[in-house]
Formats: sequence, C-alpha cells, structure tokens
Amino acid sequence: EAQVTQNPRYLITVTGKKLTVTCSQNMNHEYMSWYRQDPGLGLRQIYYSMNVEVTDKGDVPEGYKVSRKEKRNFPLILESPSPNQTSLYFCASSSKGGGTTEAFFGQGTRLTVV
Amino acid sequence: QKEVEQDPGPLSVPEGAIVSLNCTYSNSAFQYFMWYRQYSRKGPELLMYTYSSGNKEDGRFTAQVDKSSKYISLFIRDSQPSDSATYLCAMSARVRGNTPLVFGKGTRLSVIA
Repeated sequence: EAQVTQNPRYLITVTGKKLTVTCSQNMNHEYMSWYRQDPGLGLRQIYYSMNVEVTDKGDVPEGYKVSRKEKRNFPLILESPSPNQTSLYFCASSSKGGGTTEAFFGQGTRLTVV
Repeated sequence: QKEVEQDPGPLSVPEGAIVSLNCTYSNSAFQYFMWYRQYSRKGPELLMYTYSSGNKEDGRFTAQVDKSSKYISLFIRDSQPSDSATYLCAMSARVRGNTPLVFGKGTRLSVIA
C-alpha cells in the first residue's frame, strides 16, 4: 500500500529539548516536504526536498532543520523547540514538485511544546 | 492580500443538499488547481485535480476553474454525512525548481443526516 508514515503521532515535550519527527514514504518519490497546520493559518510549507541531499526552505523554516540522506526518509528536526512550534505537522511526498502531481500526506504529528 | 482566500465556514447542510465551496486567488501564474479533503485526525487526500481552466466531474463532485476571474469552485451533489470533512483548495504555478502548493485555509463542512 502506498503510504507516507510519520512518527510519532502525538508528542508532548518541554521547551528546549531537541526532538525529531520521522517521515518515510514507500513510493520512490523524489519530492518531499513538511507542512505545519494551525487554526486560521492553514497549511504552510516548512521545508522541502527535491531529491537526496537537496533541501531548501519553505515559507516558515525558522526553528526547524531537515535532512535527506535517503530517498524514502525526510526527518524534521527541532533543535530547541519553543511553545510557538506547538502545531499539527504533516509530511508529504510526490513524484514531482508542487501541484504537477498528486501529493500524498502522512497522518500528521500533533506536537505540544510546554 | 493573501495568495489564496477560502471561506473557513463552518458550513452545515442537510443530507442530499448541493454544496458549493469556493476559493479566490491573486497569482495569475497558477495553473494547477486541486481540492483536498481532510477528515478529522487525518492527513489531506487529493479529491480533484484540474489543469488550467474548465470543468472536471467525478461522480458527485465537480471542480470548476475560472482563470479570468481567478476563482475556483467545488460542487458536491447529493451530499452525504460521509462528506463531512474540511475541504482545502490548493494551487501551484509551473516554475523551475520548487513548485510549492499554496493552500487555502480550508472550509469545514458538516452534512447532517
């Protein structure tokens, strides 16, 4: 089954404690991205990757890092989380960038930073 | 002005009603137009995809794009309780490199049995 898998689904952490949210896709997609979804603000792109070792900033990259060492994995790293990073996070993948092909989304990670 | 404007609702309709969801946009370079459906506690999933202007029909769903007015619509006929979800419009321009999807904020729809 084609899918994008995120872990964990739910996470509560304290300010400043480094965390990683993992994302893995089994469709051999080149393009992957991370979004955060906030009430009243919708989905906003954090980072994207067009292929292995190729990553770049989206609209709201501050406070986040990513890496793309393998095609299937695209982890999101919060080096020093802050309460304003409390949000619902989605990883997505597609065979090509943006809207030219269907984007498949993971189930989401609800992060709370206290 | 936001690139993509979408009325957040919430919208509540009786079962069997025709539902009209809309988005307006400002970027004339947008060529790819999509509607995603997001159920509670789930990730968005692609519902309809349209390239450039025109209509596209898939079962009870019809997507319309009017590029001259920078306006897109999703119609749901004979709405069902299972259609209750948040509907997100999304669009992108064709440029080299990253062609990010730009999302509307989503409209929450409830279909009451």
